[in-house]
Amino acid sequence: DTGVSQDPRHKITKRGQNVTFRCDPISEHNRLYWYRQTLGQGPEFLTYFQNEAQLEKSRLLSDRFSAERPKGSFSTLEIQRTEQGDSAMYLCASSLGADIQYFGPGTRLTVL
Amino acid sequence: QQPVQSPQAVILREGEDAVINCSSSKALYSVHWYRQKHGEAPVFLMILLKGGEQKGHDKISASFNEKKQQSSLYLTASQLSYSGTYFCGTGASGTYKYIFGTGTRLKVLA
Repeated sequence: DTGVSQDPRHKITKRGQNVTFRCDPISEHNRLYWYRQTLGQGPEFLTYFQNEAQLEKSRLLSDRFSAERPKGSFSTLEIQRTEQGDSAMYLCASSLGADIQYFGPGTRLTVL
Repeated sequence: QQPVQSPQAVILREGEDAVINCSSSKALYSVHWYRQKHGEAPVFLMILLKGGEQKGHDKISASFNEKKQQSSLYLTASQLSYSGTYFCGTGASGTYKYIFGTGTRLKVLA
């Protein structure tokens, strides 16, 4: 257990539905990352927060994806109008400065 | 540009050594190494910084050649628990993006 938690751990949804995932980082960590990982591939960067500011967003993140980190604490990742191609593991990681990233256990999304 | 790792896969017997390489086409400012077991999240192994500073695992070592934009991870006297997929990772210059390498699948047999 790294101290980073994610909820839910598994989500099954129907195409077209909206889903929201939550990440609780290690409390003193100011940096928070979201990644997406599909089978056999490495984690793919989605977005980055420094405290509450979203400073970087991948071009892969279409306008159906949005992320927030209110008050620089927990973060949420929302996917609207889910598509089958969104099926993946969504990973959250936190770090203190440009240091080690500690990953949460991930949320596995299955879109039917 | 995603760092390229080699080899793509390696099979070892317990006690054997392995080297995993990570090459980038862009300047590397720091390199992180992670191991991921099937169905689990990546776990930090090692961080290498410009100037030679390292922080990480006491049974795993690594090198970082800034000029060649390469890093290598050295696994000595491998154990069954070393099995998994190894990723190098680095920040992308001028952005806050973080990019993982192509991955190396390592399996240690008894």
